[in-house]
Order: sequence, then structure tokens, then C-alpha cells
Amino acid sequence: NAGVTQTPKFRVLKTGQSMTLLCAQDMNHEYMYWYRQDPGMGLRLIHYSVGEGTTAKGEVPDGYNVSRLKKQNFLLGLESAAPSQTSVYFCASSIDRRIWEQFFGPGTRLTVL
Amino acid sequence: AQSVTQPDIHITVSEGASLELRCNYSYGATPYLFWYVQSPGQGLQLLLKYFSGDTLVQGIKGFEAEFKRSQSSFNLRKPSVHWSDAAEYFCAVAPFSGGYNKLIFGAGTRLAVHP
Repeated sequence: NAGVTQTPKFRVLKTGQSMTLLCAQDMNHEYMYWYRQDPGMGLRLIHYSVGEGTTAKGEVPDGYNVSRLKKQNFLLGLESAAPSQTSVYFCASSIDRRIWEQFFGPGTRLTVL
Repeated sequence: AQSVTQPDIHITVSEGASLELRCNYSYGATPYLFWYVQSPGQGLQLLLKYFSGDTLVQGIKGFEAEFKRSQSSFNLRKPSVHWSDAAEYFCAVAPFSGGYNKLIFGAGTRLAVHP
């Protein structure tokens, strides 16, 4: 039982490049979330999903897109990376709407030059 | 606007000393309150939660927190700190908006433990 896994762990992009971050969970959770963590700002929710095939905007969605084609996977895409998107990205999942019970992945450190 | 303030960015304590991390929130009603811990290179882990009732709540790893409505505070405490407690600690609130439950995080307090 791996819990929540994230791929890749580290990535360096140039401005304007695109990439996709993959989150996978093996706990059969309905809800999944993408956060970004910046120094001195705590975690901020980018997008979330309440079930397979659904997505919704969180607090800071601009510049990101997501997809949840399979229940166990939640993808975060950056179409045209900007230096402001340099951050640590965390994926999380919860069995239901009790967001505080969410399990977190180990994070992806992204640097945009 | 709803907000969470953690006044201390960085705290250093000696191993075996007591610890108190401060958290204040701004919200019209009493929200649900939480403390999370983030060890280096890891995601967040829920330490404890407060919904209602007894204002002193116990969590994992020997932590406790006390809710004080008059001060809009939810401070985290531990009587004797261990070196393994060195981590970053986040206070969070969950104000319900009728839709999905959202969490508002404080900026975090980084705890260093001296041997």
C-alpha cells in the first residue's frame, strides 16, 4: 500500500515549457487535491476533484489545468511555465469531503528558470 | 476575510524543554481547527483536530492543543520535546461554505531542537 505517490520528485523547466505532474493513490479515495507550497505562505489549493471525471478550481488555479480520467490518478498540467510557478507541489487525497483527513504525497520540487 | 496567523516563523528549543506554538484565526464563527506537522521532504500529517466540546484536545506524538474562544487561538503544546519533533508545524482552519470543505493554512512555524 503505497498511499499517495507523486512523479517526478524534482524538475527544472525553462520559461514557456510545459509539463505534467502525476499523482496516484491506491486507497480508493474519492477526493483528490493539488496544492502549492511557497515559503512563508503555507499551502494553497490549486485544483481539486470530488470524483472520477470531475475537477474544480481552488484558491490559485491560474496557469494550471487538471484532469481526473481515472479515480486513482490526478494530473496537474502547466501549459506554459513561468518563474512564478517555482514551488513545491503536493498532491493529497481523502476518502470523502472531510478534507482535514487527507493523505499527502511527498511533493514535487519544481524550478522554472 | 478568513485567515490564520502563526506569529512565530522559527522557534528553537532544547531537547526535553516544553513547547508552545501559537496560532490565531480570524473567522465569524468557531471553525474546525487543526494542526499539521511536516517533516523534511515529506507531506503534511494531521497531528490533532478540534470540532467542538472539550477545549483541550490530544493528538498524536504527545501533542495537545487548547482552543480559547475569547482569544481566537488554538495553541499547540508539548511538555517535553524530542529531537525527532524538529519539523515545520502548520495551523489550519476549515470554515464551511456549504460546498466542499476547504482548509486555510497558516504560514507555518519551523521548530529546531537543540540536543
